[in-house]
Amino acid sequence: DADVTQTPRNRITKTGKRIMLECSQTKGHDRMYWYRQDPGLGLRLIYYSFDVKDINKGEISDGYSVSRQAQAKFSLSLESAIPNQTALYFCATSDLRFGGTDTQYFGPGTRLTVL
Amino acid sequence: DAKTTQPPSMDCAEGRAANLPCNHSTISGNEYVYWYRQIHSQGPQYIIHGLKNNETNEMASLIITEDRKSSTLILPHATLRDTAVYYCIVRAAAGNKLTFGGGTRVLVKP
Repeated sequence: DADVTQTPRNRITKTGKRIMLECSQTKGHDRMYWYRQDPGLGLRLIYYSFDVKDINKGEISDGYSVSRQAQAKFSLSLESAIPNQTALYFCATSDLRFGGTDTQYFGPGTRLTVL
Repeated sequence: DAKTTQPPSMDCAEGRAANLPCNHSTISGNEYVYWYRQIHSQGPQYIIHGLKNNETNEMASLIITEDRKSSTLILPHATLRDTAVYYCIVRAAAGNKLTFGGGTRVLVKP
């Protein structure tokens, strides 16, 4: 969905490096999420944020941190990247205000390779 | 969130309707049925969702049985670009995560 953008789209890095993945949305949604997907597997939730001052851990938050800089921006950081963090990373947004049903819309993804 | 069961794969002829089944026998009264698809490592794309009634939008139709224990996603005129993995997901309206199972790998053939 073009309303949700992720940068970079591809990144190769080395073990121990700090990496930041960025997500921006123009949908005006208040909720944002970070997922990772490993080959042949489903998506797993890393962190989520229901508004600018709200940050919550998902099921696999170890080794990651996030920052919600504004309603439209949600960044994911790998403090010290390791090879098993090689994966596809997806950002998603949703909104429950104004009678919405919290439907999540995904960005195009970032392919991260940690050597 | 209730679990779902989908066939691992299915083929469909281009131009024909594709009917994708999903079983969710443990669904609760407040849980919605969502359908997403993922085209070769792209971001999952929302298709449609419903609670009790059948739903239709520009992409597909969703038929939910009266007991809500199963549903069918219908792509009315499949095209080659509909080749993807289709995920049926059951969750409450205000959940935090989407649980993607194995999905159904749909191959649309000319």
